[in-house]
Amino acid sequence: ILNVEQSPQSLHVQEGDSTNFTCSFPSSNFYALHWYRWETAKSPEALFVMTLNGDEKKKGRISATLNTKEGYSYLYIKGSQPEDSATYLCAFISGSSNTGKLIFGQGTTLQVKP
Amino acid sequence: GAVVSQHPSWVICKSGTSVKIECRSLDFQATTMFWYRQFPKQSLMLMATSNEGSKATYEQGVEKDKFLINHASLTLSTLTVTSAHPEDSSFYICSATPGDRWATDTQYFGPGTRLTVL
Repeated sequence: ILNVEQSPQSLHVQEGDSTNFTCSFPSSNFYALHWYRWETAKSPEALFVMTLNGDEKKKGRISATLNTKEGYSYLYIKGSQPEDSATYLCAFISGSSNTGKLIFGQGTTLQVKP
Repeated sequence: GAVVSQHPSWVICKSGTSVKIECRSLDFQATTMFWYRQFPKQSLMLMATSNEGSKATYEQGVEKDKFLINHASLTLSTLTVTSAHPEDSSFYICSATPGDRWATDTQYFGPGTRLTVL
């Protein structure tokens, strides 16, 4: 059974704080890692698709890194804003999949207080 | 950006009835659509993968006769929960992808459907 773990489960920060959270996944047979942001009552929004070890991607104040050899990815938010409050999901695709099956972690719920 | 709609957003039904959920890609053609469900405090779990015009591929443990998936066009997939029971109460969400690079193409998600079976 392929397991994807995210930590912490939830996080409360003050506006302006920078924060980061972790996604751990199986290091063997890696193919791709997806990050999504999911606001309540909305559709999950795609942030990044990462495939190469050492990849670093950035979108505004959000960035992500990838270490496929040790099986983890970090998501960073610089200068958190209240609108960053959401659940952040990572999803792993195994090299043994041929259907694009995303295996999701449980998510990290971020709350940014003004 | 690519938009996926889902209808209804919530539904309450009696045990034994069937419920149909629609997933539409509004501004792109979806070669592949995926159906996930999420039970409370659990991760999104893939139920099945569907390609237009062909039979869906179900994940292990998902009953294909209970969860009927029809991907009749490149913009519409439907999930029908047949003879629903309270244990089918869950959050169902679809995603769609326009490309054929199955691992690296972004999956665009609908907003989900909350199903409650009484």
